[in-house]
Amino acid sequence: DTAVSQTPKYLVTQMGNDKSIKCEQNLGHDTMYWYKQDSKKFLKIMFSYNNKELIINETVPNRFSPKSPDKAHLNLHINSLELGDSAVYFCASSLVEKLFFGSGTQLSVL
Amino acid sequence: DAKTTQPTSMDCAEGRAANLPCNHSTISGNEYVYWYRQIHSQGPQYIIHGLKNNETNEMASLIITEDRKSSTLILPHATLRDTAVYYCIVRVVGETSGSRLTFGEGTQLTVNP
Repeated sequence: DTAVSQTPKYLVTQMGNDKSIKCEQNLGHDTMYWYKQDSKKFLKIMFSYNNKELIINETVPNRFSPKSPDKAHLNLHINSLELGDSAVYFCASSLVEKLFFGSGTQLSVL
Repeated sequence: DAKTTQPTSMDCAEGRAANLPCNHSTISGNEYVYWYRQIHSQGPQYIIHGLKNNETNEMASLIITEDRKSSTLILPHATLRDTAVYYCIVRVVGETSGSRLTFGEGTQLTVNP
């Protein structure tokens, strides 16, 4: 039973397309996150939701829009994909201060 | 959040203890020390955290100096599967704004057979 699962694992697409990454957690946590890990391996937070409410929104282009239909799901929709969006995107959830991460989605924009 | 400094890389022989240092000289009294690791192609994994007392769990031990300006993560019997990037993070606990953990460059630990 995967605690934090995200799909797809790999996503290859053309510039200008719109794509979504889905994330689900079965841990009963109230808070979920999206992190981005670039080619230099730095891991940076993008968004955080607590019980479906946006609580952290770092300086991310508004082409990125998170959606939380319920507290177990946090999806990431990306419009008009650019080459610089190529990275690994990690979903995570937390109870108090311990984060549990998914296995990542490797996005490649061609 | 306080900044942390870690060595870029370390090597350890399989079966021996791996001691990973972290400096956090500007740590505040209400900031905890967290350790995560990231095995290649996987998401980061929580290891341990502590405030000022030494902590131990099934994965590792965390030794925090009395002045709290540095800490050491100890993997008592390193295995090849412990090869990963280890992140030391300092963070205030209890804020309602969520867990904005900031991951630095970490230490690449390589366990050799």
